[in-house]
Amino acid sequence: SQTIHQWPATLVQPVGSPLSLECTVEGTSNPNLYWYRQAAGRGLQLLFYSVGIGQISSEVPQNLSASRPQDRQFILSSKKLLLSDSGFYLCAWNGLSALSDNEQFFGPGTRLTVL
Amino acid sequence: KQEVTQIPAALSVPEGENLVLNCSFTDSAIYNLQWFRQDPGKGLTSLLLIQSSQREQTSGRLNASLDKSSGRSTLYIAASQPGDSATYLCAVRRYGGSQGNLIFGKGTKLSVKP
Repeated sequence: SQTIHQWPATLVQPVGSPLSLECTVEGTSNPNLYWYRQAAGRGLQLLFYSVGIGQISSEVPQNLSASRPQDRQFILSSKKLLLSDSGFYLCAWNGLSALSDNEQFFGPGTRLTVL
Repeated sequence: KQEVTQIPAALSVPEGENLVLNCSFTDSAIYNLQWFRQDPGKGLTSLLLIQSSQREQTSGRLNASLDKSSGRSTLYIAASQPGDSATYLCAVRRYGGSQGNLIFGKGTKLSVKP
């Protein structure tokens, strides 16, 4: 079965510091991968998605970047964090099998607090 | 631009009651619709996926319906239990395949009282 991991689970960082959040998927190959952010009182917002190694699409202009160095690894980064980067970051992947056509599955999330 | 709305934002019911959560979307050209559950501080758990060609899906005490033409979906929970307390999110996908990101509503926070 497929599993999605995210780490760290929680993170407290000062303004201006760098960021690296990691997401890995097990049990599938060539998945579509997504980074979402959930801010307090707001819905989930898509930040980036990737359809393959090195292929990144950005949905909104922001202080963050993403990379996909391996098929099942997706990384969210920032060179200098802002207060507004605080939130709950969720990684997700797409199931593309006939039994779960385009059903999306989410990881456990990373709670980021920027002080 | 697709917008997804969930009403009510919060709901409190006594245990054992049947309830309906509502989701509406502005653009009926969707590929599928997915209902999720989110417990506090946790990720999203997929509950039901309805393809655009389907009218409903069922899983245990949960039943989700889809009316594309009117831009509505409902999640019916039968015989609610305290363990059902969570935030329920609906999300629509415009396209299949590589462009298939989800557009989410803000959720309905459900509290089931013992």
